[in-house]
Order: sequence, then C-alpha cells, then structure tokens
Amino acid sequence: EDKVVQSPLSLVVHEGDTVTLNCSYEVTNFRSLLWYKQEKKAPTFLFMLTSSGIEKKSGRLSSILDKKELFSILNITATQTGDSAVYLCAVGKTSGSRLTFGEGTQLTVNP
Amino acid sequence: DAGVTQSPTHLIKTRGQQVTLRCSPKSGHDTVSWYQQALGQGPQFIFQYYEEEERQRGNFPDRFSGHQFPNYSSELNVNALLLGDSALYLCASSFGDSYEQYFGPGTRLTVT
Repeated sequence: EDKVVQSPLSLVVHEGDTVTLNCSYEVTNFRSLLWYKQEKKAPTFLFMLTSSGIEKKSGRLSSILDKKELFSILNITATQTGDSAVYLCAVGKTSGSRLTFGEGTQLTVNP
Repeated sequence: DAGVTQSPTHLIKTRGQQVTLRCSPKSGHDTVSWYQQALGQGPQFIFQYYEEEERQRGNFPDRFSGHQFPNYSSELNVNALLLGDSALYLCASSFGDSYEQYFGPGTRLTVT
C-alpha cells in the first residue's frame, strides 16, 4: 500500500527561525512529489519535484527531492507569522494523476 | 482568472440523507479530482473525472458517485450519509494528466 509520511506532525517556532519539514514516501511507480500550504481550507500549490537533487526555490521557501532515499524536505528561512499553516506533501504515480497525501505538518510561527 | 470554485461552503445533513456538492474548475482546466479531508488528516482521493468519465477511483464505497458536465464542472454525490462522512470535501482541477492540481476552498459537510 502506498504510504506518505510527514514529520514532524507539529512544530512551533519563533519568527526569524529556519524550519525543515520532512516527507518520506513508499509508492510504486513514483512520478512526482508536490508540496502544498493549507491555511484555512484550500491547499495552495508550492512546488512540484520530479528530478532528484534539483532544488526548487521560491522566495524564502525551497525544496529538494532524493529519489534514492525516497524523501523530500521543505525549508523555510526567516519564518514569519504568515507562514503558520499546515504543509502537505503529496505523491503522484505514473499510473495516473491522483495524489496520495501525507497527514501534514502543522507549523505555528509565534511573533 | 477565476480559480476553482465550490458550492455550498457549508452543509449540515442527517444520517441517511443524500447530498450533492458542486465544483467549477479553473479556467483552461479539463480534469476534476475530488478529495475527502477528515479533521487533522491529509486529503484522501475519491475519484477523478476527465472527458465526462470517471478515470480513476480511490478506496471509497459506491455511495460516492460523481459526474462531469461538458463545461468541465463536476458534482459529487453521496448517498445514505453516515456520521463518518463528516469532512471537508475538496475539489481540485488540472489540465490533462498534470499532477499540478489547484484546489477549491472546499465544502464542509457535517452529518448529524
């Protein structure tokens, strides 16, 4: 059975801290890994990673995929209170574009 | 450019009733996927529609059914509601086989 595991499940930091969120996966026919940010309801797309070792970056957020060790990390530098959200990791397979999600990491950034 | 829209926002139903949720995809998208998200959990894939047909289905009972219309909008129907069906129902749209899915704000369903 396909599995996506995120850690930690929750994290509390102070503004300005740097955080690293983890996502490991066990799926057959892996094709891509996606990160989403969910603040209230709609998850918003952050990154899609398909190749190992290539970092994707957007402002203070960056992510990288390791297809050999089957994991990805999402880094957020100089955190702000607006970064407080649930961060979801999802995996897509070659047999179709359905996504399998992890439980999410609840990040709280305190001022 | 309108994003993914869903209606209604909230819904309260009684056990045994039936419910229909609606989704309009982002402009230019032709594929609609539905997910169920229980409190504190990640979204779980229900099914996906493309060219008005169910293309993929997750591990959900036949009580969950759907439809896609020629304008790519979609409906999710749930029959014989159970308390355990209480969740946030998310619709996501994409183009073709793309994994890059864009989510709507969801419908919060409460079954009492």
